[in-house]
Amino acid sequence: GQQVMQIPQYQHVQEGEDFTTYCNSSTTLSNIQWYKQRPGGHPVFLIQLVKSGEVKKQKRLTFQFGEAKKNSSLHITATQTTDVGTYFCAGRYSGGGADGLTFGKGTHLIIQP
Amino acid sequence: AAGVIQSPRHLIKEKRETATLKCYPIPRHDTVYWYQQGPGQDPQFLISFYEKMQSDKGSIPDRFSAQQFSDYHSELNMSSLELGDSALYFCASSRRTSWGLETQYFGPGTRLLVL
Repeated sequence: GQQVMQIPQYQHVQEGEDFTTYCNSSTTLSNIQWYKQRPGGHPVFLIQLVKSGEVKKQKRLTFQFGEAKKNSSLHITATQTTDVGTYFCAGRYSGGGADGLTFGKGTHLIIQP
Repeated sequence: AAGVIQSPRHLIKEKRETATLKCYPIPRHDTVYWYQQGPGQDPQFLISFYEKMQSDKGSIPDRFSAQQFSDYHSELNMSSLELGDSALYFCASSRRTSWGLETQYFGPGTRLLVL
């Protein structure tokens, strides 16, 4: 079946360091969405990438979508304690009726002050 | 801005009982999705509805059923509950577009505990 692999599973950083999480799909994606989930919370939408090679920025966050639309990354510059949480990529595949998102396993970001 | 509403937020049931979870999408959103998230796991897609018709089906057990009503709210019915059904159940909603690339916005979830 269609799978989205996400690495790393856990990432410990010192506050102020950068952080990157990567996602890779076995097949071409229609689009990819990124979510952040805090412990006990729900996935909060961050961004959606649609076009091949697309790059989007939100303040300290940079999102990329690969040329082949099979991989994506999220990079956070100069992490802050408020960045703590689990970052999920979620891919959507082409095809009629393909509504559901396929989530990666998530990357747990742990920040040490 | 209005968000997705889910009720109840917490639910405790015993094995073999039934449960009904409700979801009220963001106003003007016509598509709802149900996801199940086990402890420490990623959300798993269960089922979705568009304009009251099932539009996609994921890993929903046969013991579960769902529907979308004329006011676009949705209900997930779970029967013969098992211990393994204990999880967070999220509803998400979106507004269908012609290019099919809608963003899904998640509700706060219902935490189900089966004893």
